[in-house]
Amino acid sequence: DIQMTQSPSLLSVSVGDRVTLNCKASQNIYKNLAWYQEKLGEAPKLLIYNANTLQTGIPSRFSGTGSGADFTLTISSLQPEDVATYFCQQYYSGSWTFGGGTKLELK
Amino acid sequence: QVQLQQSGAELAKPGSSVKISCKASGYTFTSYYMSWIKQTTGQGLEYIGFINTESGGANYNEKFKGKATLTVDKSSSTAFMQLSSLTPDDSAVYYCARGINYWGQGVMVTVSS
Repeated sequence: DIQMTQSPSLLSVSVGDRVTLNCKASQNIYKNLAWYQEKLGEAPKLLIYNANTLQTGIPSRFSGTGSGADFTLTISSLQPEDVATYFCQQYYSGSWTFGGGTKLELK
Repeated sequence: QVQLQQSGAELAKPGSSVKISCKASGYTFTSYYMSWIKQTTGQGLEYIGFINTESGGANYNEKFKGKATLTVDKSSSTAFMQLSSLTPDDSAVYYCARGINYWGQGVMVTVSS
């Protein structure tokens, strides 16, 4: 299986911060990567797919970059409603795998 | 609009089985595979497998072979996952997902005596 590693696992943030989250694959997955936001008790929400394509309805403060094995999700100016857990997912292989997540907490 | 409505929470005893459902609406059910994902606090998100909703053929993550059985009922546009020989390690939230962009609301399965 392709291993997905996210860093950091926990990030203390303030409203207005530029936030950068990282995701690394154990092999080349080209651009077959998605980012999700998850809040307690809710289903994961797709933010970004194909590494850098913003899902319809997602605010433009979210952006994704990367290809191959290294990827980044950036929130340009953190809003209170963005406090959540974010995880990446590869769908290059038929057996999806997920990163362990990055939890954002307010300072 | 696309919706995946999953069945309610389950409380099951060790050694028993549960069958959870995922009813699809808003699209042609047989045009898309259905995937299933397990989420726990300790292990995070794990891919269980997927089912071809047209043919009924399923593909499983090696870890879940023998544990999960995926089926569909095309007449009701519903996908099912049966979990057998339950242990406390099977306690989790289970999601169905159509592709990467549509997920059900999740079903909490608790295995306890």
